[in-house]
Amino acid sequence: NAGVMQNPRHLVRRRGQEARLRCSPMKGHSHVYWYRQLPEEGLKFMVYLQKENIIDESGMPKERFSAEFPKEGPSILRIQQVVRGDSAAYFCASSPRQGRSSYEQYFGPGTRLTVT
Amino acid sequence: GQSLEQPSEVTAVEGAIVQINCTYQTSGFYGLSWYQQHDGGAPTFLSYNALDGLEETGRFSSFLSRSDSYGYLLLQELQMKDSASYFCAVRDRDGANNLFFGTGTRLTVIP
Repeated sequence: NAGVMQNPRHLVRRRGQEARLRCSPMKGHSHVYWYRQLPEEGLKFMVYLQKENIIDESGMPKERFSAEFPKEGPSILRIQQVVRGDSAAYFCASSPRQGRSSYEQYFGPGTRLTVT
Repeated sequence: GQSLEQPSEVTAVEGAIVQINCTYQTSGFYGLSWYQQHDGGAPTFLSYNALDGLEETGRFSSFLSRSDSYGYLLLQELQMKDSASYFCAVRDRDGANNLFFGTGTRLTVIP
């Protein structure tokens, strides 16, 4: 039973390029969350999605960031025109149903984005 | 908004017991969760308390006192592999499903 998969594990981009981060939730999980973690800090919520729907994007910066979870395929977090401040670890988490999401989430290994 | 306070660092000796505290201020309360994260790794769910009292899972226990807005994670028979960061977390806000995390406590276990 595979866990949450994320790729790539490490991503290096130059300022102004686009970054695409992928997440496949655990089998049977239809709720996907994206979090960002800066060094020595806790995780900050960005966006919550279900298949083909963005449920809550209150933590997502208004510009340059977008997320999707299509009917087929992984969830994608896209960052356009990256800046150095976007350098962070981006974690995806999934949950089997809404009720348990509020306390128990399963995290992927993260994508460490470095902007040079 | 939500607020969680944890000590930033704790050091303990292998084989000993350590307690990591978490105090919270929340708009609405739906329980306190604990996650472990090793350096470079993914956060891993450890425990959840919705009601007052102690929940035990092997060497790890978690306690909650809602009247004091306080909880703690207790690690017994410490092992070197327990060196990691430990985060308490609550539901972000009423109606939300995402988690709000504390800034974490870095536990170092020494021989």
